[in-house]
Amino acid sequence: DAGVIQSPRHEVTEMGQEVTLRCKPISGHNSLFWYRQTMMRGLELLIYFNNNVPIDDSGMPEDRFSAKMPNASFSTLKIQPSEPRDSAVYFCASTTTTGTNTEAFFGQGTRLTVV
Amino acid sequence: GESVGLHLPTLSVQEGDNSIINCAYSNSASDYFIWYKQESGKGPQFIIDIRSNMDKRQGQRVTVLLNKTVKHLSLQIAATQPGDSAVYFCAEGGGYNKLIFGAGTRLAVHP
Repeated sequence: DAGVIQSPRHEVTEMGQEVTLRCKPISGHNSLFWYRQTMMRGLELLIYFNNNVPIDDSGMPEDRFSAKMPNASFSTLKIQPSEPRDSAVYFCASTTTTGTNTEAFFGQGTRLTVV
Repeated sequence: GESVGLHLPTLSVQEGDNSIINCAYSNSASDYFIWYKQESGKGPQFIIDIRSNMDKRQGQRVTVLLNKTVKHLSLQIAATQPGDSAVYFCAEGGGYNKLIFGAGTRLAVHP
């Protein structure tokens, strides 16, 4: 498996524009997470899905942020309109638990810069 | 850039020495714990996990110890190498495999 795949790797956009980040989880993993990493706050959990259903979006900072998971192999995180303070690295992770082992793997992240 | 941010504790070790990275967690109901390594410009990389019903687990050059009494987790790296230099995070997991991360510790390995 190629691991968790995120696109794009880098995104530079102007304030006010819509930004869509994409994630393909590892096949067979039933949970998907979106995290944001900044120097100020570290790794913050934004939202997570289980079996494609959003379970907890209490970490989403504002209504400008939304996430969807239309099927088991694809998720998006959208920011509309974007603001400079949204600049961060956004990570997607997928997980599954089998027996006594938990697999939880991250993508390489999307570095978002809003100017 | 930002002038104020998380002050990550730094552990400096000599190449070849053993490293011990510590983590305090908050939720006594967490089902499992995971250690991640994050190198600059990369996503967190899974190192090792431990279930809450265990107190020790060993991997290749790494050992994780869990003390539920004081809610403390540690990662021991044997014979630390320059390639081990990174930021290390502990994460606690629970329902739906939700992971909550600590602030991280920077490991600096000197030749």
